[in-house]
Amino acid sequence: AQSVTQLDSQVPVFEEAPVELRCNYSSSVSVYLFWYVQYPNQGLQLLLKYLSGSTLVKGINGFEAEFNKSQTSFHLRKPSVHISDTAEYFCAALGGATNKLIFGTGTLLAVQP
Amino acid sequence: ETGVTQTPRHLVMGMTNKKSLKCEQHLGHNAMYWYKQSAKKPLELMFVYSLEERVENNSVPSRFSPECPNSSHLFLHLHTLQPEDSALYLCASSQDGRPATGNTQYFGPGTRLTVL
Repeated sequence: AQSVTQLDSQVPVFEEAPVELRCNYSSSVSVYLFWYVQYPNQGLQLLLKYLSGSTLVKGINGFEAEFNKSQTSFHLRKPSVHISDTAEYFCAALGGATNKLIFGTGTLLAVQP
Repeated sequence: ETGVTQTPRHLVMGMTNKKSLKCEQHLGHNAMYWYKQSAKKPLELMFVYSLEERVENNSVPSRFSPECPNSSHLFLHLHTLQPEDSALYLCASSQDGRPATGNTQYFGPGTRLTVL
């Protein structure tokens, strides 16, 4: 079955600390992978995407992610977080025949002062 | 600035009401989507339209009825909903509906729906 797994429902971290949000995908989905961020009471905003090429992808707001085919992972990282990074982060993969995005359950990044 | 707008942002309705959600994209895209976001559950794809033709109906109950009059507008007509239909309904658009191109989907801010 096609699936995207985000094992951590919540990640607390102190301001200016590094953070990694984990994402694993099933081998049955495509290798088009995305990270979206959702701030409170807002829609989803694209952070970054991997379609092909370099396995290290840089996105907005200082985030980056690394595609690892052997581990079927696409973890999101930031070397130093800010309070404003507090939000829900969703990993997604394209699957199916109609550009269907398959989402993980999301990880709440809670940045504390 | 998102490029995809949704109205209303909040909606409260009774189970016997009929209402509609509206989505408009200003990006020149040819594919549009409806998603449902419920608490503690992954986003669920409801409908996909490509060039105004419905290409996917993801086993959605008939009390949800989509309409895509042109490539810029998408509606979700609601009638006789249930309390469990309360959720955030998100609209998205992409350049086209072909998965092989890995098109990015751009989301609107959503409509928070509460069914009493």
